[in-house]
Amino acid sequence: EAEVAQSPRYKITEKSQAVAFWCDPISGHATLYWYRQILGQGPELLVQFQDESVVDDSQLPKDRFSAERLKGVDSTLKIQPAELGDSAMYLCASSPEFGRADYGYTFGSGTRLTVV
Amino acid sequence: GENVEQHPSTLSVQEGDSAVIKCTYSDSASNYFPWYKQELGKRPQLIIDIRSNVGEKKDQRIAVTLNKTAKHFSLHITETQPEDSAVYFCAPNKGTDKLIFGTGTRLQVFP
Repeated sequence: EAEVAQSPRYKITEKSQAVAFWCDPISGHATLYWYRQILGQGPELLVQFQDESVVDDSQLPKDRFSAERLKGVDSTLKIQPAELGDSAMYLCASSPEFGRADYGYTFGSGTRLTVV
Repeated sequence: GENVEQHPSTLSVQEGDSAVIKCTYSDSASNYFPWYKQELGKRPQLIIDIRSNVGEKKDQRIAVTLNKTAKHFSLHITETQPEDSAVYFCAPNKGTDKLIFGTGTRLQVFP
């Protein structure tokens, strides 16, 4: 079964440092999403890509977060500088069709970030 | 925007008993109703879904029922097993690709 790959699996960083997460979607999936899941809550969408273009980053804290998907395949999410409140699970998801949540929507295993 | 609530927030049952989780939503345009299961430290996984033209759907021990008039849908798990222990999220959707998750329900099944 095809999977969404994410790395690292766990990351501990000091506040004010920079941190980056990587995601490789399922082959052929044009749409890629980054979600943040704070402990005890449901995932919340941060940014959505269609191929290499950002289609929704309305919930991305742009003063410290950035995301890119340069070749329309894998993606990187960066936080600089990290704050204590950024501690969370960062989940990547991909889907084969733009505009649909009901077909092939697949999550990766996530990166657990702890900021100390 | 969509306001999604789940009840209860935690649920403890004895193995073999049934469990029911209810999801209430606010957007009457919602037409796709999935349930996701997330085990501790793992990814959310789709376990069952239903569309607005269907009132009930069953897959072995799990089922989902929909009441569009009242704007709620429920997850039913029968003959619960310890491996059903997880957090369950609903994510009612109106045909877009942005999943808005409910508040989550932690289910514990005791042997």
